[in-house]
Amino acid sequence: AQRVTQPEKLLSVFKGAPVELKCNYSYSGSPELFWYVQYSRQRLQLLLRHISRESIKGFTADLNKGETSFHLKKPFAQEEDSAMYYCALLYNFNKFYFGSGTKLNVKP
Amino acid sequence: GAGVSQSPSNKVTEKGKDVELRCDPISGHTALYWYRQRLGQGLEFLIYFQGNSAPDKSGLPSDRFSAERTGESVSTLTIQRTQQEDSAVYLCASSLAGGVALREQFFGPGTRLTVL
Repeated sequence: AQRVTQPEKLLSVFKGAPVELKCNYSYSGSPELFWYVQYSRQRLQLLLRHISRESIKGFTADLNKGETSFHLKKPFAQEEDSAMYYCALLYNFNKFYFGSGTKLNVKP
Repeated sequence: GAGVSQSPSNKVTEKGKDVELRCDPISGHTALYWYRQRLGQGLEFLIYFQGNSAPDKSGLPSDRFSAERTGESVSTLTIQRTQQEDSAVYLCASSLAGGVALREQFFGPGTRLTVL
C-alpha cells in the first residue's frame, strides 16, 4: 500500500538557519512526489514537484529512491517560510496521498 | 473566475441531518478531487472525477457519503445522516488532465463542517 510519512508535526528554527522537512514514502510503483504549502489564512498550493527538479523560494527536494525519501530543504530559513508543509505522492496515475503535514515555525 | 471556489465556507449542523457541500473548479480543469482533513491530520482522499469517466469513489468512508459532478463543472459532496466524526474541513481541488507535469492541484478554501 502507498503511504507518506512526515515524522515531525512541528519544526522550529531560527531565521537564517538551515531547514529540512522530512518525508518518507512507501510505494511499489514509480513514485511521483510533490510538496504543497499552506501559509496562514491562505489556500493549500503547490510548492514544487520532483519531476521538475526545480528550486522554488530557495527550497529544493531530491528524490532518494534508495532511502524512499523526498526531504524538503532550504539553506537559510526566512520568517515568511513559516507555514504548513505537506508531502504528497501521486499513485495509480490520478490519486494523491498526502502526509499529515509539518508545521514550520521560523523564529526571528 | 480566479480559482476554485467552495460553499459554504462554514457549516454547522446537528447530528443526523444531511449536508451538501459545493465546489466550483477552475474552468477547463477536467479533474476534480474531494479531500477530508480532520484536525491535526493530513488530507484524506475521498473521490476523484475525470471528465466523463466514472468517478473513483474508493476513498469514500461510508455509503453516507456521495458526490456528483455536472459535466466538467460544479461538484457537490453530500453527507447523509451526519455524525460527529464527520466534522472536518472538506477541500476540493481541480487540475488539468494529462502527464505528471500538468498535475498541479489547485485547492479551494475549504468548507469547515461541524456536527453537533
